[in-house]
Amino acid sequence: GNSVTQMEGPVTLSEEAFLTINCTYTATGYPSLFWYVQYPGEGLQLLLKATKADDKGSNKGFEATYRKETTSFHLEKGSVQVSDSAVYFCAPLSYNTDKLIFGTGTRLQVFP
Amino acid sequence: DAGVIQSPRHEVTEMGQEVTLRCKPISGHNSLFWYRQTMMRGLELLIYFNNNVPIDDSGMPEDRFSAKMPNASFSTLKIQPSEPRDSAVYFCASSMVGNLNTEAFFGQGTRLTVV
Repeated sequence: GNSVTQMEGPVTLSEEAFLTINCTYTATGYPSLFWYVQYPGEGLQLLLKATKADDKGSNKGFEATYRKETTSFHLEKGSVQVSDSAVYFCAPLSYNTDKLIFGTGTRLQVFP
Repeated sequence: DAGVIQSPRHEVTEMGQEVTLRCKPISGHNSLFWYRQTMMRGLELLIYFNNNVPIDDSGMPEDRFSAKMPNASFSTLKIQPSEPRDSAVYFCASSMVGNLNTEAFFGQGTRLTVV
C-alpha cells in the first residue's frame, strides 16, 4: 500500500524566511501527489497537487514538484507569513487504491 | 454546496456510553472517508465507502467501532462502548473517486472526549 514519510516538526521560522518541508512516498502504480493544510481548529484543505512526473503544483506562494526518480514531493515557499502557521500533510493517491493516506503532518510555526 | 457537514462539533461522554458521529458528504460525491486524528498517531484512515458500500475497514481499531452509510447523503460512525483512549478528533471527508485529479473535502471534525 501507499505510505508517506514527512520531516519531523515543528518547523519554526521567522516571517519572510524560506520554507522547505520534505516528503517522500512509496506507492503502487503511478500516484497523484497532494499537499493538504490544516489550520487550527479546522479540517484539512487542499493546498496543491501534481498528477504526473515533473509537474509543479502551486498555490498561495507554495510550490512542490513531482519527482518520480526520487519519489519526492517537497513543499517550498520563498517567504513565509505568520498566517502560514498550520500543519501540512503530504499524500499520494493511487488509482488502484482510491484511498488517501496521509503522512504524520509537519507543524509550521511562523513568528513575526 | 455547504461542504461536508459533521455533527456534533464537540462531544463529551462518560466511559461506557455509546457515541454516534454524523456526516453529510458533498452532494454528488461517490466516496466517503472517516479519519481519526490524535497527537500520538496523527491522521489515521478508519474506513472508506464507495457508492455507499464499505470498501476498506482495515483501519477500524476494534469491534467497538462501526460505520454505516445507509444512503449517499449520510453516514455514521458509532463507538459502543466508548473508552478514554477513543478521545480524538474525528474527520469525515468526501470525494469523487475514480479520477486521480480528485480532491478530498473535509468536514470541520468532531472533537470527542471520553471521561
